[in-house]
Parts: sequence; structure tokens; C-alpha cells
Amino acid sequence: AQSVSQHNHHVILSEAASLELGCNYSYGGTVNLFWYVQYPGQHLQLLLKYFSGDPLVKGIKGFEAEFIKSKFSFNLRKPSVQWSDTAEYFCAVNARPGSARQLTFGSGTQLTVLP
Amino acid sequence: SAVISQKPSRDICQRGTSLTIQCQVDSQVTMMFWYRQQPGQSLTLIATANQGSEATYESGFVIDKFPISRPNLTFSTLTVSNMSPEDSSIYLCSVGGGTSYEQYFGPGTRLTVT
Repeated sequence: AQSVSQHNHHVILSEAASLELGCNYSYGGTVNLFWYVQYPGQHLQLLLKYFSGDPLVKGIKGFEAEFIKSKFSFNLRKPSVQWSDTAEYFCAVNARPGSARQLTFGSGTQLTVLP
Repeated sequence: SAVISQKPSRDICQRGTSLTIQCQVDSQVTMMFWYRQQPGQSLTLIATANQGSEATYESGFVIDKFPISRPNLTFSTLTVSNMSPEDSSIYLCSVGGGTSYEQYFGPGTRLTVT
């Protein structure tokens, strides 16, 4: 079974700082990769996704992530964070092939951006 | 993306009782999922609910404790039975399907068991 690791539990940054959140997964086959965000008081939203093709994917609100297959990683980046990016970020994996489409989530990273 | 609503949004229940959570989607979807998010933790899949078949439960979750119904392509319920304080969590439903692997989540039901 696949597992997902997010090593940063809580990250505190000042506005305009650059962000990189780590995500590693353990599965030797083909995977679909996702980053979800949960803003305070709101429900989970899809930030970006990778299925195939260009390993650098761009999402909403200026976020991007890079899939590095050799490192089993899918790190989330943003060049300049804003106070409104304060939220919890979850990395998730779906292993292919198969009809099962369950997502396995990492433990989440709480990002606090100081104004 | 689908619009998903859940009822109730939150509840406080007594030990030993049961609560049924409803999940309504604004479009027909094949696959629906139920997750649990315990305080300070990540999401854990409880079961997959496909219309017309029995729900498939993940390891550690059983039908007697978490019975699920999926009567049509836009609706599902999850019941948390014989509750204990350890069941205090946020319960979320999500939908996925078609050729896309992503899932979209409802707002969640915050359950507190006293």
C-alpha cells in the first residue's frame, strides 16, 4: 500500500518569502499526485494535480509543484507567499493502475504567513 | 467540479447513540468516498460507496460501525453507530469519477461525542 510523508508539520514564513513544502510517497508504480489546501474554516480544495507529461505543474494562486520520479517526490512551491496563503496543505497520492481511485493523504503541513 | 453539501455541519452527541450524515452532490457521480479527519490528523479513508453495490471498507473500518447507503448517483449517507468519544472527528464525503482521478470534497461534518 502506498504512503505519503510530509516532513514539515508547521512552517512559519513572512510575506514575500519563498515556500517549498516537501512531499514524498512510497509506491513503485505509476501514481497520480495532488496537493490540496484547507483555508481556515473552509473545506478542502484542489490546488494542483499531476497525472502525466510535464513534471512541473502549475496550480491556482501561483502555486506549482515538481514531480521527481527518481526521488518519489512532489514538492509544492510558491516564489512569494501572501498572508492569505495561511492554510493547511495536504499532499495526496492515488496509485495506478486499477479501478480503485482512493487517495492516500499525507499528514498535512500548517503554513502560517506573517504579515 | 461538483458542488457537495453535507448535513449536519456539526453535532454533539452522547456516547452510545448513532448519527447519520448526509452527502448531496449537484450532479450524478459514480464514485463517492467517506473520510475521517481526527483532531490534528490527516484524512483517512473509511469506505468507497458506489451506487448499486456494497460499500468497500478500508482496513480498520467495519460496516456494523459505519453503515453506508448509496441509493442513487447524487446522494449517500454514513452512519456512525454506537458512538464513543474516540469517534469525535470531522467526517467528509468526496466525489470522483469519469476519467479524472481527482476528488472534490464536501465541507465536512464536525462530530463531538460526549
